[in-house]
Amino acid sequence: SAVISQKPSRDICQRGTSLTIQCQVDSQVTMMFWYRQQPGQSLTLIATANQGSEATYESGFVIDKFPISRPNLTFSTLTVSNMSPEDSSIYLCSVEDFGGVTANYGYTFGSGTRLTVV
Amino acid sequence: AQKVTQAQTEISVVEKEDVTLDCVYETRDTTYYLFWYKQPPSGELVFLIRRNSFDEQNEISGRYSWNFQKSTSSFNFTITASQVVDSAVYFCALSEVGDSWGKLQFGAGTQVVVTP
Repeated sequence: SAVISQKPSRDICQRGTSLTIQCQVDSQVTMMFWYRQQPGQSLTLIATANQGSEATYESGFVIDKFPISRPNLTFSTLTVSNMSPEDSSIYLCSVEDFGGVTANYGYTFGSGTRLTVV
Repeated sequence: AQKVTQAQTEISVVEKEDVTLDCVYETRDTTYYLFWYKQPPSGELVFLIRRNSFDEQNEISGRYSWNFQKSTSSFNFTITASQVVDSAVYFCALSEVGDSWGKLQFGAGTQVVVTP
């Protein structure tokens, strides 16, 4: 199955600043997904990132606040811009993971970036 | 509207007890996928199972088993003989096809607490 390296694992940032989160996958993938998990909550999809095209954002999320890059088939970044304490969350990237011929495949997630905005 | 409902917020059991986590979903698609994920206190998401809408066979994997019933739109998960290491938040998720392909819609999660 795919292995995702997500960085940083955690950060404490000042309000008004920006943080860029990176995800590196050990195999080429068409679609990458970015999720947010607010404290004690479930996961919510922020956007879908395809290589060579603009990211597609879900309702409630905008490119100015969460710009995404997808320069190739193994890498993506998510930037959280002009941060406020409400942005304190875990951010996770995800890829569709066919994992070979097995029928029981799923979506593999990075280990997450735990962001605290003070 | 919430498409995946996990009505149980938290379940506490003593080690070796069985625990069943409920998941009810809503979709108009005839083709869709259901998933269960485990999120231990460390925070990573661990994939447990995928089930597609055409496969209603129940699944057993070690101490884990899943009961998929399209008639009631449910995909329940049972941990048999629970262990302390099973303590985690468990998420049920739905993936539809078409424009929604790849977008997981998660339930609220169920916190499982297993005490020795």
